[in-house]
This record gives sequence, structure tokens and C-alpha cells, in this order.
Amino acid sequence: QKEVEQDPGPLSVPEGAIVSLNCTYSNSAFQYFMWYRQYSRKGPELLMYTYSSGNKEDGRFTAQVDKSSKYISLFIRDSQPSDSATYLCAMSAEYGNKLVFGAGTILRVKS
Amino acid sequence: NAGVTQTPKFRILKIGQSMTLQCTQDMNHNYMYWYRQDPGMGLKLIYYSVGAGITDKGEVPNGYNVSRSTTEDFPLRLELAAPSQTSVYFCASSYGQGDTGELFFGEGSRLTVL
Repeated sequence: QKEVEQDPGPLSVPEGAIVSLNCTYSNSAFQYFMWYRQYSRKGPELLMYTYSSGNKEDGRFTAQVDKSSKYISLFIRDSQPSDSATYLCAMSAEYGNKLVFGAGTILRVKS
Repeated sequence: NAGVTQTPKFRILKIGQSMTLQCTQDMNHNYMYWYRQDPGMGLKLIYYSVGAGITDKGEVPNGYNVSRSTTEDFPLRLELAAPSQTSVYFCASSYGQGDTGELFFGEGSRLTVL
């Protein structure tokens, strides 16, 4: 079993849709959770960062962590074609280092 | 500020050849990392460094070597290239302990071994 599971997609949605991206994990020591966005032929860039359980909102993006279920989510409201990218979840037991990445989900937003 | 710069962007190697992927950062970050990314597999940590002169193995270090003689540079050496090393390689850096742990990535180096 992989330490972090993420459906690779692709996930195709119409413009304006609400998108839900998810990861599950097996290591209960993970407490730092991140979402990275990666455009085609580019390096990943940090999108959201959450510590422990709870929600965090930033504009159209909301990150949720449920440590009891070992499940994290990223919601994108009013999705735009510019949101088309690969979204990677990442998590760590130590403060931001030795991140374990999910496989990444390819998202395509159609105009 | 250029951030993290990787060279070359693309390279084709023959089996058994050697090469070095270069990585430099201008953010004065202490921590630097090398990852490889294969389709559907996410990012796998090859080697990392917490400062000049200090390196350590990650999850998939076999077939690679690194050195860190300066804060800015963290080259990755491939000895005796094999087809299994065909991948996209990303260098990243971070401030390290005491911050959010955000990794700053370069644009990647695409390596094909034939």
C-alpha cells in the first residue's frame, strides 16, 4: 500500500464547476499537509498549506484535513480554464521537510 | 531573483554514459532537494541537503550521487545511465526548519536514456 494515495484522473469539468480533489494516507504521524499545483512542463508550486486538522480558505480554494479519516481534500470553486493543471498533495510528519507526494491528479477545465 | 535554476532542460543519454544535472538557487536557502517524477508516480526524493557539506539519501538514491560545496549549488550526478533513469528531474530548495517548509522548484530537466 502506498503511503499516500491520489487518483491520477484525468478529471474533466466544465468552466464554473466546483472541483473536489482528494488524497488518503496511511501514516498517522503526518501533520503538515500541502497542495501543489503543476502546470504542464513546469515545476510544482505551493497552492495551500494546512497544519493538522481543519479547513483553510484562500480565494476560490479551500483545503480540508480530516486526520481521523486520514483524508485531505482541495475544493476549487468557480473553476476556470487557467486552473487546468496537475494537483499534487504532499504531507510530512516533520516541519515541512521530507514531504511524501501523491501521484497527482490531472484537472482539465473546459471553457 | 531567478529562484531555482536547472540545466540542462533536456538531455538524451546512451546506456552507460554519465552526466551531471546542475541546480543553483539564489534565495540563500539552506535546504536543497532532488526529486524525480515519473508518470502516475508522483515525486520521489533522490537526495537532499540541509546545508553546505551535508547530504543524505532520500527514497530512491541508487544510481545517483550528489555534492554540496556551496549554499547555492546542488548538482546531481548520474553514473552509468540506465533506461530506468529516464524521468523528469526536479531540484527544489527551502529555508528549512522554522518556516512553512514551502519547497521552491526549478522547471525540471527531462532525461531520456536509450
